[in-house]
Amino acid sequence: DQQVKQNSPSLSVQEGRISILNCDYTNSMFDYFLWYKKYPAEGPTFLISISSIKDKNEDGRFTVFLNKSAKHLSLHIVPSQPGDSAVYFCAAKSYNFNKFYFGSGTKLNVKP
Amino acid sequence: DSGVTQTPKHLITATGQRVTLRCSPRSGDLSVYWYQQSLDQGLQFLIQYYNGEERAKGNILERFSAQQFPDLHSELNLSSLELGDSALYFCASSTLVGEQFFGPGTRLTVL
Repeated sequence: DQQVKQNSPSLSVQEGRISILNCDYTNSMFDYFLWYKKYPAEGPTFLISISSIKDKNEDGRFTVFLNKSAKHLSLHIVPSQPGDSAVYFCAAKSYNFNKFYFGSGTKLNVKP
Repeated sequence: DSGVTQTPKHLITATGQRVTLRCSPRSGDLSVYWYQQSLDQGLQFLIQYYNGEERAKGNILERFSAQQFPDLHSELNLSSLELGDSALYFCASSTLVGEQFFGPGTRLTVL
């Protein structure tokens, strides 16, 4: 039962342009969402999060948008840099249950 | 460096064998999670412990078991290993409600 889905396995963008990574979820009880970045041979690292009381959270070049009615969140990276090339996972959980559900990941390639 | 340590980094074993993976959480984190990542797959949640007690269970096989000790380190035991168990196994730790911090993973190869 895939409650968090990332339908694009890969994305390629030019350096300096915007990268938009998408994530959909099915469980309306989810109220906390996170994005992780993963380089090969390393564990995922936390990038940015958003709670369901917000629709946007920004941290430097990274912005996460949450559309609760559509059960959709997205991660925007502006401007994209070659060092951003990695696999990005979205994750979701409900506040009163600490089990995290992860999407299958999107591999981002930022071309110089 | 996330502060979460995992040993060993690599493990090669044969089918039918048993292995133990070890995880030490970040200082102060009481929750430990185990995940499996097979080739080109996402992170599959296996199990969570909080302060020594099992808190949540995911798609963990009966051949697998875990525990969290009083010093908060955790071990994941995999037995009767099959070829399909070859994967990266990640441990993560967190406070009760915060984001998770992942260790570098253990790459298990079953021959």
